[in-house]
Amino acid sequence: EVQLVESGGGLVQPGGSLRLSCAASGFTFSRYWMTWVRQAPGKGLEWVANIKQDESVKNYVDSVKGRFTISRDNARNSLYLLMNTLRAEDTAVYYCARDDTHRSGITYYDAFDMWGQGTMVTVSS
Amino acid sequence: AIQMTQSPSSLSASVGDRVTITCRASQDIRNELGWYQQKPGKAPKLLIYAASSLQSGVPSTFSGSGSGTDFTLTISSLQPEDFATYYCLQDSGYPRTFGQGTKVEMK
Repeated sequence: EVQLVESGGGLVQPGGSLRLSCAASGFTFSRYWMTWVRQAPGKGLEWVANIKQDESVKNYVDSVKGRFTISRDNARNSLYLLMNTLRAEDTAVYYCARDDTHRSGITYYDAFDMWGQGTMVTVSS
Repeated sequence: AIQMTQSPSSLSASVGDRVTITCRASQDIRNELGWYQQKPGKAPKLLIYAASSLQSGVPSTFSGSGSGTDFTLTISSLQPEDFATYYCLQDSGYPRTFGQGTKVEMK
């Protein structure tokens, strides 16, 4: 079955750390950019980070730069998000998504065509 | 960061209605924009990429248009399963940014 399954969420104190995982199956994981998106309770979607197929390019939203690290293990078909120095405002459901990038000439278009079910991260004392 | 402003934030409509949602970018993003649908408790679903390209499997009642700074998602005939929240997402620059969402509710 073609799917993404996140894990690793939970309750953590402010200043703590957590590592999220996203297990991919049913497709050639190493061919795709991958992305993390989060959603705070009752709020909209926020793009968090993405990573190129060979890990040579990583991008982050400013609010997590220096605290979060995205990585992947293509041999294990897995995506990760290491979250350090967690804050209350990091409380959210975290989704991993596959980016089926479409190319037209010199332009590449994101297309997050597959998503996991999400994992909840709660930062609270 | 590129700011994405959606309007309206919510709307009420009936089955069969034509629905239009707009998204405005704070700078020229060419046609580098996607649209996503999200239902409560579920992950988002891709509808449109590259401003107007329909994702495989998405009904043709959905269409997207626009370029530069102004974009539109149109549902030509609202179906019961279309009541949801819709988000635009620019992929022209980093960080990627979503609009704040438009909730489509039943009238």
